[in-house]
Amino acid sequence: QKEVEQNSGPLSVPEGAIASLNCTYSDRGSQSFFWYRQYSGKSPELIMFIYSNGDKEDGRFTAQLNKASQYVSLLIRDSQPSDSATYLCAVNMRRNFGNEKLTFGTGTRLTIIP
Amino acid sequence: DAMVIQNPRYQVTQFGKPVTLSCSQTLNHNVMYWYQQKSSQAPKLLFHYYDKDFNNEADTPDNFQSRRPNTSFCFLDIRSPGLGDAAMYLCATSEGYDQPQHFGDGTRLSIL
Repeated sequence: QKEVEQNSGPLSVPEGAIASLNCTYSDRGSQSFFWYRQYSGKSPELIMFIYSNGDKEDGRFTAQLNKASQYVSLLIRDSQPSDSATYLCAVNMRRNFGNEKLTFGTGTRLTIIP
Repeated sequence: DAMVIQNPRYQVTQFGKPVTLSCSQTLNHNVMYWYQQKSSQAPKLLFHYYDKDFNNEADTPDNFQSRRPNTSFCFLDIRSPGLGDAAMYLCATSEGYDQPQHFGDGTRLSIL
C-alpha cells in the first residue's frame, strides 16, 4: 500500500459543479493533512490544511478528515476553469527519530469543463 | 510580502558541471526543505533543516549537498549533475514539522 494514495485522474467536472478529490493514507498516527494545488510547470500552492476530524471550510474549498477511515478529501464548490490543476494530498508521517516527514500523493489532475 | 524566493528560476548546466541553487525566506521559519520533483511525480524530499540541525533523507544521492549559513538562506549543491538530475527543485519553509509548508517558485534544472 502506498503511504498516500490518490486517484491520478484526470477528473473532469463541469463548470459550476462540485469537484470531489479523495486521498487515503497508511499511517494511522498521522495528525496533519494538507492540500496543495499545482499548475503545470509551477510550484505547489497551499490550499487547505486540517488537523481535526470533520470539515473545515475556506471560501469555495472544504477539507474533510476521517482519521478512523484514514481518509481526507477536498471539495471545491462552484468549480471554475481556473481550478483546473493537479491537486496534491500531503500527510505528515511520523518517523522513528522524532521529526515528521510530509509525504505527498502523486496528485489528481482536475479539469473544469466550461 | 513575506515569501520564499528561489534563484534562478531556470538553470541550464552541462553534464558533470557543478551547480548551486539558492533559496531565501522572509518568513523567519525554523524549518527549510529541499525537494526534487520530476514530471507527473510527487515532490521527493532531499534535505531539511530545523534551524542549523541538518537532516538528509536516506535515499538522497551523495551527489547532492546542502548548506544553511543562516536562518534566511539555504543552498542546494549538485556536485556532478547527471541527466537523471534534470527536474524542478523546490524549496519550502515551515514554522515546525507539523505546520504547513510554503513553497518557492522552484528552479527548473536542465542538463545538457
